[in-house]
Amino acid sequence: DVKVTQSSRYLVKRTGEKVFLECVQDMDHENMFWYRQDPGLGLRLIYFSYDVKMKEKGDIPEGYSVSREKKERFSLILESASTNQTSMYLCASLSLGLAPQSSYEQYFGPGTRLTVT
Amino acid sequence: AQKITQTQPGMFVQEKEAVTLDCTYDTSDQSYGLFWYKQPSSGEMIFLIYQGSYDEQNATEGRYSLNFQKARKSANLVISASQLGDSAMYFCAMIPHGGNEKLTFGTGTRLTIIP
Repeated sequence: DVKVTQSSRYLVKRTGEKVFLECVQDMDHENMFWYRQDPGLGLRLIYFSYDVKMKEKGDIPEGYSVSREKKERFSLILESASTNQTSMYLCASLSLGLAPQSSYEQYFGPGTRLTVT
Repeated sequence: AQKITQTQPGMFVQEKEAVTLDCTYDTSDQSYGLFWYKQPSSGEMIFLIYQGSYDEQNATEGRYSLNFQKARKSANLVISASQLGDSAMYFCAMIPHGGNEKLTFGTGTRLTIIP
């Protein structure tokens, strides 16, 4: 019953390391999202993608990049990890019907708790 | 740009009472969708309910209903007959339809059900 998987549940990295967070969905969804979740701040959108090789900046893209070479996989990259990137990272995928509509399909991955020391 | 506002950082409710979690949004899009999610202490995000902006009737899913007031741009979640297992963080989210569909979340409300 796999829907959205993330490569790691827990990750510890050192400052300056390059970090890859992988997200894979098996539902053929067009839209995929990367969020970080911090106490009191809710879920903040880092990047999203609505098609293969397409990406859009979210609200807090600084320090991150993404890659979507295949429809099912959306990777988040921290080029040079810093301590302020310690957070819970959540991936989501979504498919909406044609607007106006009431149909959708949306799932989250289990999250990756990243600690940068 | 779209924005979601949840003004209640925390709420305490007696078991079996109904509870309303507030959500207001700001968007210039004419067509959009509104979601509510539950996040228990285990961390997973659980979808609860969805409302399309053109849906004439308020969405309901079991004990959950969405009080959608389009003119006021509000989409409050109502949980009837609350249970101890309802204790969790609750997030409201919105996505515009068509074009680049950016799913934006509010800051959440922590609901605690008191026995």
